[in-house]
Amino acid sequence: DSGVTQTPKHLITATGQRVTLRCSPRSGDLSVYWYQQSLDQGLQFLIQYYNGEERAKGNILERFSAQQFPDLHSELNLSSLELGDSALYFCASSVAERNTQYFGPGTRLTVL
Amino acid sequence: EDQVTQSPEALRLQEGESSSLNCSYTVSGLRGLFWYRQDPGKGPEFLFTLYSAGEEKEKERLKATLTKKESFLHITAPKPEDSATYLCAVQDPGYSTLTFGKGTMLLVSP
Repeated sequence: DSGVTQTPKHLITATGQRVTLRCSPRSGDLSVYWYQQSLDQGLQFLIQYYNGEERAKGNILERFSAQQFPDLHSELNLSSLELGDSALYFCASSVAERNTQYFGPGTRLTVL
Repeated sequence: EDQVTQSPEALRLQEGESSSLNCSYTVSGLRGLFWYRQDPGKGPEFLFTLYSAGEEKEKERLKATLTKKESFLHITAPKPEDSATYLCAVQDPGYSTLTFGKGTMLLVSP
């Protein structure tokens, strides 16, 4: 158990809908990262927050957004969902930037 | 753009049969190279971080090494519970984010 928690574990929804994924980092970690993992693309970095501020963006679609709250938990919002958004979404956290990242158990999103 | 290539894509071993997984990378400057283990449907589990060429780290049956262009994960006398996908990732000095390879799926048969 890495200490990073993610909810929900599974999410099944329809195309065009909007969902919110939640992540609680390890105690004391200030940096949160979101990744998407699909069979063909592997693990792809989406976005990073550090102590409430956005720090880096990867290949994140405009339909996706995220934020980190004062208590350091983070939410990833996915809207206008498409079939191709079906994937595992992982959150990772680290004590500070550039430290080892510890991953949560993931949320499996299925878009029908 | 950072690139990470892992080989082989899949590897099947008999219990006790040692082997190595390869991770080759191209980065503008390497801050760290990370190895993770991932079981099906689970999150990646951190194994090692290597920072400079010549560095080696060990954990049980696993040993990671680093050169200027690649890293190896050596598995000595593997057991069935070592079966997993092993992921390699690089971190360059300018960013804290990781660029991952596609992984090597290892299956160890009893």
